[in-house]
Amino acid sequence: GNSVTQMEGPVTLSEEAFLTINCTYTATGYPSLFWYVQYPGEGLQLLLKATKADDKGSNKGFEATYRKETTSFHLEKGSVQVSDSAVYFCARMNSGGYQKVTFGTGTKLQVIP
Amino acid sequence: DAMVIQNPRYQVTQFGKPVTLSCSQTLNHNVMYWYQQKSSQAPKLLFHYYDKDFNNEADTPDNFQSRRPNTSFCFLDIRSPGLGDAAMYLCATSSIRGTGGPRDTGELFFGEGSRLTVL
Repeated sequence: GNSVTQMEGPVTLSEEAFLTINCTYTATGYPSLFWYVQYPGEGLQLLLKATKADDKGSNKGFEATYRKETTSFHLEKGSVQVSDSAVYFCARMNSGGYQKVTFGTGTKLQVIP
Repeated sequence: DAMVIQNPRYQVTQFGKPVTLSCSQTLNHNVMYWYQQKSSQAPKLLFHYYDKDFNNEADTPDNFQSRRPNTSFCFLDIRSPGLGDAAMYLCATSSIRGTGGPRDTGELFFGEGSRLTVL
């Protein structure tokens, strides 16, 4: 079936450190890929997305590239801030009409000053 | 302005006492979802409405029901909450017309969630 695997947390970084959160997906079909972020006490919100191979999604200094050859969609940021502390979810969705979104288990990021 | 609004944000109920959570949206999206999220876990899809069509996930307990009286509103009813039903309940919407148009991105728009405590 369709699944998403992301690195376990929590991840603790100092401010201005480089961030990578790994995500891999099952290659069934031609999925769109997403990163959602959940700040404490809030619902999820879309951070970035990519709909086809080699696309790069970017937002708020975060980036992720759709890598078909490695079935990966790793999230990166060059310099994290305390305000980036949140839980990050990788997700996939097959294309074509209604398709179920499958989420990874989430990675908690804590950035310390 | 909030586009997906959930009420209440916090709900405390007693074991077995029915609860209704509400969700409203101003996006005019045709698909509405209810997710259950327990601590440190991924959101788990309970069911969704595609327009007026109700779609239940195979592993959603019968204890959970939903209603969508119109495009803008959707309700989650928990008939007899157990301790294991304590969780954050997330409502989400999306626009899926199957036309491949610019809004057919599959993006989910979430509310802030309703946290349910069962005593």
